[in-house]
Amino acid sequence: GAGVSQTPSNKVTEKGKYVELRCDPISGHTALYWYRQSLGQGPEFLIYFQGTGAADDSGLPNDRFFAVRPEGSVSTLKIQRTERGDSAVYLCASSLGGRATDTQYFGPGTRLTVL
Amino acid sequence: GDSVTQMEGPVTLSEEAFLTINCTYTATGYPSLFWYVQYPGEGLQLLLKATKADDKGSNKGFEATYRKETTSFHLEKGSVQVSDSAVYFCALSETTSGTYKYIFGTGTRLKVLA
Repeated sequence: GAGVSQTPSNKVTEKGKYVELRCDPISGHTALYWYRQSLGQGPEFLIYFQGTGAADDSGLPNDRFFAVRPEGSVSTLKIQRTERGDSAVYLCASSLGGRATDTQYFGPGTRLTVL
Repeated sequence: GDSVTQMEGPVTLSEEAFLTINCTYTATGYPSLFWYVQYPGEGLQLLLKATKADDKGSNKGFEATYRKETTSFHLEKGSVQVSDSAVYFCALSETTSGTYKYIFGTGTRLKVLA
């Protein structure tokens, strides 16, 4: 079956611009997570959705970052006024029910480069 | 808060050698533990997991046992192959906030030489 998909796979933008990153989770998965992975590091949590609501956004670094999941399926991570420090791979993951024992399935990521 | 510590890489082994990648964790609840693998040019894939103390996860010849007394989840394989060359991440699902977000280690790069 289809896995988690993310678009675009690569995004190059200029400092100060606005970007949107899209995640399409596995069908039927109610839990959706966004992570950010910097070079040589493990992924770091950004935000968690259970259904349509953001149940935990404690990992968002500042108010330039925002994410939505209006219909409980596709999610969009939005970054305003991008900075060079935002350059990283942004990963999306989904799981069946958002429980501790659930496996999270990761997408291939979007590599964001801010010039 | 919860954290995961992995041994630093890179780890370079000859084919058929024994592999151990150490992983220890700190957690206030009772997390599930995971090993993910990232092959060159690919996304993160689940390798194995264990959801309670003394559980052993296994897959593709890899094993790891959830040791609550030593707060460890070391990854082992008896005989590595060149195709095992990848970056391995240890992770736990954080339980105290109710979100079960993953906390990852920094990753260990494995290179297996023919």
